[in-house]
Amino acid sequence: GENVGLHLPTLSVQEGDNSIINCAYSNSASDYFIWYKQESGKGPQFIIDIRSNMDKRQGQRVTVLLNKTVKHLSLQIAATQPGDSAVYFCAEDNNAGNMLTFGGGTRLMVKP
Amino acid sequence: ETGVTQSPTHLIKTRGQQVTLRCSSQSGHNTVSWYQQALGQGPQFIFQYYREEENGRGNFPPRFSGLQFPNYSSELNVNALELDDSALYLCASSWDRANEKLFFGSGTQLSVL
Repeated sequence: GENVGLHLPTLSVQEGDNSIINCAYSNSASDYFIWYKQESGKGPQFIIDIRSNMDKRQGQRVTVLLNKTVKHLSLQIAATQPGDSAVYFCAEDNNAGNMLTFGGGTRLMVKP
Repeated sequence: ETGVTQSPTHLIKTRGQQVTLRCSSQSGHNTVSWYQQALGQGPQFIFQYYREEENGRGNFPPRFSGLQFPNYSSELNVNALELDDSALYLCASSWDRANEKLFFGSGTQLSVL
């Protein structure tokens, strides 16, 4: 939506560099995790997901890492592009059936 | 595009009024969820409907209510609006309830004056 990310932590990267966005989740019972990208004026867009029986999953230019020991999730974006500029949210599903708990979000800014 | 449409895109109401927000899900999606996103924050789960029945609810008072219809449309109703209800309201649909990819609409921006 409009003005998403006004007060969010910001990660600024150079175009072509790799980006790493981190997230700490809250519920050790959560078994499904998702990363969403939200651009201004739009709803969250699915990027990649991972289930708790995995610790790494790769997509096109994106990788999600899950560390259940410390309840930490990260999103790696390779060769970051200006079109990757957005707010990124992690979300967890604590086995309640797609009733997601979202993190606070990180704004990614890509400098050309 | 996600195939989930919401209306209206923007809405201004005054405190104490009632509002109805609408969502049209992808055909075949049996589950619809509503989220509230305050400025600068992540979305918060309001409730979920599965095959026209409420299937789960977040920490929102009863003045937040919903309906889901057989034609894959749904509504979010908020009574006795408060200033803190000003937010972006997001609708999301999925095929089923468990660990399925959610498709979000672009939201309705509600301002309560």
